[in-house]
Order: sequence, then C-alpha cells, then structure tokens
Amino acid sequence: AQSVTQPDIHITVSEGASLELRCNYSYGATPYLFWYVQSPGQGLQLLLKYFSGDTLVQGIKGFEAEFKRSQSSFNLRKPSVHWSDAAEYFCAVGKGRGSTLGRLYFGRGTQLTVWP
Amino acid sequence: NAGVTQTPKFQVLKTGQSMTLQCAQDMNHNSMYWYRQDPGMGLRLIYYSASEGTTDKGEVPNGYNVSRLNKREFSLRLESAAPSQTSVYFCASSDWDEQYFGPGTRLTVT
Repeated sequence: AQSVTQPDIHITVSEGASLELRCNYSYGATPYLFWYVQSPGQGLQLLLKYFSGDTLVQGIKGFEAEFKRSQSSFNLRKPSVHWSDAAEYFCAVGKGRGSTLGRLYFGRGTQLTVWP
Repeated sequence: NAGVTQTPKFQVLKTGQSMTLQCAQDMNHNSMYWYRQDPGMGLRLIYYSASEGTTDKGEVPNGYNVSRLNKREFSLRLESAAPSQTSVYFCASSDWDEQYFGPGTRLTVT
C-alpha cells in the first residue's frame, strides 16, 4: 500500500537559514512525487513534482527537491528561508499517470515557523 | 479561468442536519476528488470520480455521499452530520500530471 511519512511535525528556522523538510514514501512501482504548500486558511499550492529523469527538481519560490530511490526519500530544500515561507508543507505520492494522475496519498504535513 | 471553486467557504451545522458541499472546475478535467483535512492527519480521500458517471470510495467514505453531476461539478453530501465530520474539506481535479485544489470549506458540526 502507498504511504508517505513526514517525520517532522514542526520545524523552526531563522530567516536566511537553510531548510530541509524530510519525506519518505512507500510505493511498489515508480512513484510520482509532489510537494504542496498551504498558507493559513488557504488551499494547497503545488511547489514541485517529480515523475522521471533528473532526480533534482526545481520548483517555485526557490524550492528544490531531490529524489533518492535507494532511500525512498524526496526531501524538500531551500538555501535561504524567507519569513513568507512560514506555512504547512505536504509531501504526496501518486499512483501513476495513465489517462489521468489519479488520487494522491499525503503525508501528515510539516509546519514551518520562521523566526525573524 | 477560475480553476476549482467550492461553496460555501464556511458552514456551521447542528448534529443530524444535512448539507451539500458544491465543487466545480472549469479546466475540462475528467477526474475530481473530495478530501478532508484534520489537524495532524494530512489530507485523506473521501470519494473520487475518475470520469463523468463514475464514483469510488476513498479512505474515509462513511457518512458521505457524492454526485458527479456533469464533467464540471462534483458535490459531497452529508446526510446526517456528526461532530466527527468537523473538518476542512477540499475538492480537487486532475489532469495528466497535477492535481488542482479548491480553496476549501471549513465545516463545524456542533
């Protein structure tokens, strides 16, 4: 069965510091991986996605993620965090692309707090 | 192009009342989904519709029904609301490689 684990419920970083949010997945076939961000009271916005090819994926807002098949991980990184990055971050895995993406399996989320 | 829209944005119900959450998308997507979000639980799938005329249960379907009215619209009905259904509900639609989410409906059942 598919599942996603985000080991860190809450992370606090100082503005300007680097950030890494962890994500581990369990899926038998080729995973399709996503990171979403949710600001308070808002819906989910896609940061980046990985289907195949280069394992380092660039996204919006200066975020990147690296797919490591051997570790079943898809960690999200940002070199220098801004106060506006404070939000909740969700990792998700999809089953495949076929005629449509299909449902996503979400992790429980990591809440990011940014200190000024 | 509004994307995915949901109504209402907020709703308070008493236990036992019924209501329908509405969702529409204008991206011509075949697949649509209803998720609920609870603190510390991430998003869990309630129901989904792979195409017009089909619906399937997700992880947490009990207490809910859905209707895929046409390609654009996918509604979620609570027949007899319970406090355990207090949550934020998100509708989504998907194309080949991305899911697009609506702004959510915050539902409180007292």
